Amino acid sequence: KQEVTQIPAALSVPEGENLVLNCSFTDSAIYNLQWFRQDPGKGLTSLLLIQSSQREQTSGRLNASLDKSSGRSTLYIAASQPGDSATYLCAVKAEAGGTSYGKLTFGQGTILTVHP
Amino acid sequence: GAGVSQSPSNKVTEKGKDVELRCDPISGHTALYWYRQSLGQGLEFLIYFQGNSAPDKSGLPSDRFSAERTGGSVSTLTIQRTQQEDSAVYLCASSFLLAGAYEQYFGPGTRLTVT
Repeated sequence: KQEVTQIPAALSVPEGENLVLNCSFTDSAIYNLQWFRQDPGKGLTSLLLIQSSQREQTSGRLNASLDKSSGRSTLYIAASQPGDSATYLCAVKAEAGGTSYGKLTFGQGTILTVHP
Repeated sequence: GAGVSQSPSNKVTEKGKDVELRCDPISGHTALYWYRQSLGQGLEFLIYFQGNSAPDKSGLPSDRFSAERTGGSVSTLTIQRTQQEDSAVYLCASSFLLAGAYEQYFGPGTRLTVT
């Protein structure tokens, strides 16, 4: 059974700092990995999706990397801003053909606070 | 274009009552998913629909939970004889296809409180 772990559970940084959020998964047979942002009381907003064949994806100040063989992904946020404060979730989608195909398995999330 | 919408946004019900939660996916998306987010459990998969294929119900926690998708679009998640442990945020997502590198787009969720 796939298990996804995110470290740290919570992070508080001053504005302007670069930071890294970590995600690890136990079964490397994944199709892709998706990073989401969730604001309090809101749904999930997709940030980046990395295919299993890719090493990284970038969008603005965000960069996500994937090391499938070691079961790890990182989300790098450059020059953090107070508006980046939210819960960040990573999720993996299993490879085709398995019983878990199609569904996302989520980590518990990292609660990020960026203070001015 | 319009995103995934869910209704109601909040639902308070008494223990033992039935509830129906609705999801309108993004137009043209063939795959639709239900997840549940509760304190201490995180986000967990419940069920997905893909086109005319049989749904994957492997995540439904008990036979009190059921879902249907009519006309390949709108979906309803029904919880019968609600229990307090059913209190959670129920999230719906859709994607263009189940297969392939298609992102899942999530709705705002329905917060269910069972008293």
